[in-house]
Amino acid sequence: NAGVMQNPRHLVRRRGQEARLRCSPMKGHSHVYWYRQLPEEGLKFMVYLQKENIIDESGMPKERFSAEFPKEGPSILRIQQVVRGDSAAYFCASSLPVGDEQFFGPGTRLTVL
Amino acid sequence: RKEVEQDPGPFNVPEGATVAFNCTYSNSASQSFFWYRQDCRKEPKLLMSVYSSGNEDGRFTAQLNRASQYISLLIRDSKLSDSATYLCVVNSRDDKIIFGKGTRLHILP
Repeated sequence: NAGVMQNPRHLVRRRGQEARLRCSPMKGHSHVYWYRQLPEEGLKFMVYLQKENIIDESGMPKERFSAEFPKEGPSILRIQQVVRGDSAAYFCASSLPVGDEQFFGPGTRLTVL
Repeated sequence: RKEVEQDPGPFNVPEGATVAFNCTYSNSASQSFFWYRQDCRKEPKLLMSVYSSGNEDGRFTAQLNRASQYISLLIRDSKLSDSATYLCVVNSRDDKIIFGKGTRLHILP
């Protein structure tokens, strides 16, 4: 099955630690998107990447958050010095061209203690 | 005006009824439109794309009204399993995909 893979599915961190979330897009997809969803809220766009390039990071908080999509390997969303407010579900999606249907991974649920 | 706007609901509808929701968008240059479904604590899943001529998939019909800048989703003969949040998705300026906050649907037995 070549669906979007995310790991870990659940991640618990203490305040101040780092969180690394991984996303492997569907086979053949070169566009990756990260979204955050707070409890009872809608999906919030964070960043859009192609291989080795960040195309749009307008939804990323200015500090502590970074994303990459290297030539080889999964896309990584990195959150440094996590705070309680970072607790959320983080979904990754991939698509063929931009504007095409996005296919979502199962998400990573981050809990910050 | 928000880029993509949906009535959050919830819509409480008896099983077997027909239900419809709209979604309005602000960018008249938008080109791609989709409906996604999200179950509680799960990832969104594509329900259907929305084409200019409208399209139907079984009990689901999606339509686009460019003049009034909205898309709609109609569900006929609703089933208990249709209970979910329905997300409207529009590609906005610079090809950014914008998700609406979703409309919650509860089908009542």
